[in-house]
Amino acid sequence: SYVLTQPPSVSVAPGKTATITCVGDNIETYGVHWYQQKPGQAPVLVVYDDFDRHSGVPERFSGSNSGSTATLTISRVEAGDEADYYCQVWDNDSGVFGPGTRVTVL
Amino acid sequence: EVQLMESGGGLVQPGRSLRLTCVASGFTFEDYGMHWVRQAPGKGLEWVSGFSWNSGVIGYADSVKGRFTISRDNAKNSLYLEMNSLRPDDTALYYCAKDMEWNDPGTYDYWGQGVLVTVSS
Repeated sequence: SYVLTQPPSVSVAPGKTATITCVGDNIETYGVHWYQQKPGQAPVLVVYDDFDRHSGVPERFSGSNSGSTATLTISRVEAGDEADYYCQVWDNDSGVFGPGTRVTVL
Repeated sequence: EVQLMESGGGLVQPGRSLRLTCVASGFTFEDYGMHWVRQAPGKGLEWVSGFSWNSGVIGYADSVKGRFTISRDNAKNSLYLEMNSLRPDDTALYYCAKDMEWNDPGTYDYWGQGVLVTVSS
């Protein structure tokens, strides 16, 4: 089965840029989706199909996908961006999630 | 406003069964694929099963294959998950999630708040 790898944690100061990677074999051939999950809440779609922002998502959130790495970038990080972020693809008629990255705002 | 409301969770002994229900509103339910995704306490997200808008069951995660059955009733705007032979490692918050596009499964634009299933003796 397809495997996605994410760093367990990323720390970033307010106003700086957070970069979250999602590594998978030839991941550029997949549409990659990103979800934000805050404590005690359901996941929320942030970016879909590599780089499209879901409705209501600030332009500070952007995505890219090339080679074996998809990336979610959060610019001008705010305290409210502190959350777990999961990448996800659809492979062989099943959903595959990465293990998640906890973003901590210092 | 799209809403997904799960119910049916609870505490159950190993080996027993449970049926989860997700009632949808705010969109034309029959036009979209629907999925179950779970999250064990303190762990990440795991896709469990999906049901397409037009061609039936999409599939099951290996961890639940042969024990769980997904179904839907478009007349009742409802998605179901019948869970049999439950094991302690099935303990999780179970989310119902909606496909964003009718013909492209696997992008979940709306999620319910989840229902907790605890398998323990």
